[in-house]
Amino acid sequence: AQTIHQWPVAEIKAVGSPLSLGCTIKGKSSPNLYWYWQATGGTLQQLFYSITVGQVESVVQLNLSASRPKDDQFILSTEKLLLSHSGFYLCAWSLGPGDNERLFFGHGTKLSVL
Amino acid sequence: GDSVTQTEGLVTLTKGLPVMLNCTYQTTYSPFLFWYVQHLNEAPKLLLKSSTDNKRTEHQGFYATLHKSSSSFHLQKSSVQLSDSALYFCALSEQGTGSKLSFGKGAKLTVSP
Repeated sequence: AQTIHQWPVAEIKAVGSPLSLGCTIKGKSSPNLYWYWQATGGTLQQLFYSITVGQVESVVQLNLSASRPKDDQFILSTEKLLLSHSGFYLCAWSLGPGDNERLFFGHGTKLSVL
Repeated sequence: GDSVTQTEGLVTLTKGLPVMLNCTYQTTYSPFLFWYVQHLNEAPKLLLKSSTDNKRTEHQGFYATLHKSSSSFHLQKSSVQLSDSALYFCALSEQGTGSKLSFGKGAKLTVSP
């Protein structure tokens, strides 16, 4: 069975500090990977997606970057956090386009920027 | 670009009553629609999906029918339960692109005893 693990579970960071969030998928080779951001009770905003190692596409510009150093790993980072970065970050994977385009979400990382 | 519109922000119902959450979409491609449910402090999970016109799809008592003529994929349930309290998101995928899902604003359903 496939599993998706996100770390850390929660972070409290200061404005201007760096950030690195991680996501690992086990049990599925070459998945499509996604990062989503969600304000408390808000909608899901796609940030990045990746269909293969080393290839990441940005969907919105939020002073964040993402990398896929391994087939099963997706990293979200920034060198300088803003207050607006607070929220819930969800990593997700899918098999690909068409009928298999359902997303499987991790449990997320709650980020508070103070 | 693609967009998904959900009109209800907050819905409060008494247990046993029916519910309908609206979802309309805009796309120039062949649509693939989803409903995701997110319970408090949990990750979103797929509830329903469809790309077939005029075919009802059902899961866990919820059902929806994709109507391409009206660009709609409304979510319904005939009798809500306390455990149905959650955030419900409608999402649209351009079939074949594999890269982007557009989510609606979400509808928060609260079911009271």
